[in-house]
Amino acid sequence: EVQLLESGGGLVQPGGSLRLSCAASGFIFSNHAMNWVRQAPGRGLEWVSGIFNSGGSTFYADSVKGRFTISRDNSKNTLYLQMNSLRAEDTALYYCARRQGDYWGQGTLVTVSS
Amino acid sequence: DIVMTQTPLSSPVTLGQPASISCKSSQSLVHSDGNTYLSWLQQRPGQPPRLLIYKISNRISGVPDRFSGSGAGTDFTLKISRVEGEDVGVYYCMQATQFPYSFGQGTKLEIE
Repeated sequence: EVQLLESGGGLVQPGGSLRLSCAASGFIFSNHAMNWVRQAPGRGLEWVSGIFNSGGSTFYADSVKGRFTISRDNSKNTLYLQMNSLRAEDTALYYCARRQGDYWGQGTLVTVSS
Repeated sequence: DIVMTQTPLSSPVTLGQPASISCKSSQSLVHSDGNTYLSWLQQRPGQPPRLLIYKISNRISGVPDRFSGSGAGTDFTLKISRVEGEDVGVYYCMQATQFPYSFGQGTKLEIE
């Protein structure tokens, strides 16, 4: 059974940093591209970042470019999102999703507030 | 960047009646490999999104056949032939033809 389990969310002050993780199981992680998608409270889905299966190519939404870094460790079956210079508007539930969204985790909540 | 526009944003429907959601993209979603990476996702209250349909019209295993997708190029439609209570939620179209990926605003399906 495919499972994606996000962790690392929490409360952080504006300008602070967080590192999210997504532990994958039930499939060959190194064969699949992965994405981060977020959902602000009461709002729709926003794609944040994506990474090819090898990790050689990464992509970002303009809203996070230069502040967030996506990476993966295929030996640990884990996807990461390093988030720096956080802003109030980054407050959201962050999901990891496989490929074009065929599997999703339950999400981890990031709250940016002083 | 590709902008996805859904209509309507809210759809009150009577149980057993059909429902239809439109999704239009600002440019063609045909990929250089010939595929069109347009998906439909359902998000029930308090749940993560769930993929229903991929590449315009392919239903994921376990999705009831009352859900169907159609369209081409820039115009796409999700149809529910007979709405059931479990279909309540928000429906999103999503394009994965080109980075950055993008979603429609979401259509809230409610039972009248």
